[in-house]
Amino acid sequence: QQQVKQSPQSLIVQKGGISIINCAYENTAFDYFPWYQQFPGKGPALLIAIRPDVSEKKEGRFTISFNKSAKQFSLHIMDSQPGDSATYFCAASRGGGYQKVTFGIGTKLQVIP
Amino acid sequence: EAQVTQNPRYLITVTGKKLTVTCSQNMNHEYMSWYRQDPGLGLRQIYYSMNVEVTDKGDVPEGYKVSRKEKRNFPLILESPSPNQTSLYFCASRPFNDGELFFGEGSRLTVL
Repeated sequence: QQQVKQSPQSLIVQKGGISIINCAYENTAFDYFPWYQQFPGKGPALLIAIRPDVSEKKEGRFTISFNKSAKQFSLHIMDSQPGDSATYFCAASRGGGYQKVTFGIGTKLQVIP
Repeated sequence: EAQVTQNPRYLITVTGKKLTVTCSQNMNHEYMSWYRQDPGLGLRQIYYSMNVEVTDKGDVPEGYKVSRKEKRNFPLILESPSPNQTSLYFCASRPFNDGELFFGEGSRLTVL
């Protein structure tokens, strides 16, 4: 049972373009939605996260858009650069503390010059 | 430096030969967890621990064991590895009251 559905699985974007990765969740109790970035040979690292009390969060070129009614959230990478080439995972969890984190299947992004 | 350390990073073993992947964190985090990463399946949680001596199953616990005798260590034990456990394994930790997970660099396991 996949509680967080992520698409696309792979994405090729021209340098300077906008990369968009989408996620949808089922559990309305989720209240923390992070995005992790993973470079080859490394572990995932937190990129940006949002809680459902806001509809958008921006950090530099990275923006999360959140639609609570549709149970969807997305990552937008503006002015995509070759250094952004990585695998991106969306995730969701509920409550604080000990609640487990459920991940999407990941999106492999390639930014070509 | 704050980090999660896994060992070994790479291991090739044979079916049935018990092995342990160690995980240690130096951030005094209460929560620790193991994930496996497989193509097309993303990151799936194997086991997690809320604190010393408190562990619970994740989504794919079959064939794995864990223990949490010390706060900083959370080893993953494969008592009788099988080829379907060939995967990339990640250990992660986080504080009790924060959502950010800190991951190790991964352990690539091949079971022949």
